[in-house]
Amino acid sequence: EPEVTQTPSHQVTQMGQEVILRCVPISNHLYFYWYRQILGQKVEFLVSFYNNEISEKSEIFDDQFSVERPDGSNFTLKIRSTKLEDSAMYFCASSGAGGYYEQYFGPGTRLTVT
Amino acid sequence: AQSVTQLDSHVSVSEGTPVLLRCNYSSSYSPSLFWYVQHPNKGLQLLLKYTSAATLVKGINGFEAEFKKSETSFHLTKPSAHMSDAAEYFCVVSDRDFGNEKLTFGTGTRLTIIP
Repeated sequence: EPEVTQTPSHQVTQMGQEVILRCVPISNHLYFYWYRQILGQKVEFLVSFYNNEISEKSEIFDDQFSVERPDGSNFTLKIRSTKLEDSAMYFCASSGAGGYYEQYFGPGTRLTVT
Repeated sequence: AQSVTQLDSHVSVSEGTPVLLRCNYSSSYSPSLFWYVQHPNKGLQLLLKYTSAATLVKGINGFEAEFKKSETSFHLTKPSAHMSDAAEYFCVVSDRDFGNEKLTFGTGTRLTIIP
């Protein structure tokens, strides 16, 4: 069964450093998403991406964040200058289309900012 | 804005007994509702979804949920718990915007199965 993959599974970085989290969505999917879950809190929407542009973003997704689909298979989340409060589990998801197509989630990348 | 409230942060049941995980939603129009499960060190897996068809929705692994508009509820049930059901469960509502579904998650319910 096709699945969403994410790398790395765990990333440790120092405050102020740039990080790139990588995702490979399911190959024929059209919509791509990033969510995050701070330890002990709920999963929160960050951004959705369709047709090579951002469809929607939350207030969390400020100028420090960016997303890109650099080729036909990868979808990346970049944090330009990490803060301690960026420590969280980051989930990538993809869906075949909008409406009633469910989102398939990857296993997540745990980001630890020290 | 839409939201979901999961009424229990932790539920413990004995193996072989019924499971009930409670969820209430808030929506200004007809929502799409989902239950996702997260096993330790795994991604989020869709258990079932309600999208304005039948109000009783059957999902994977024997789970089902009933959409009750009058009670704004979407509780998850299973007749007989299995040890492999131990996981975190999330009630989720979609915020449909021209077909691009932003998901809004509840805070999660951790299900523990007692042998």
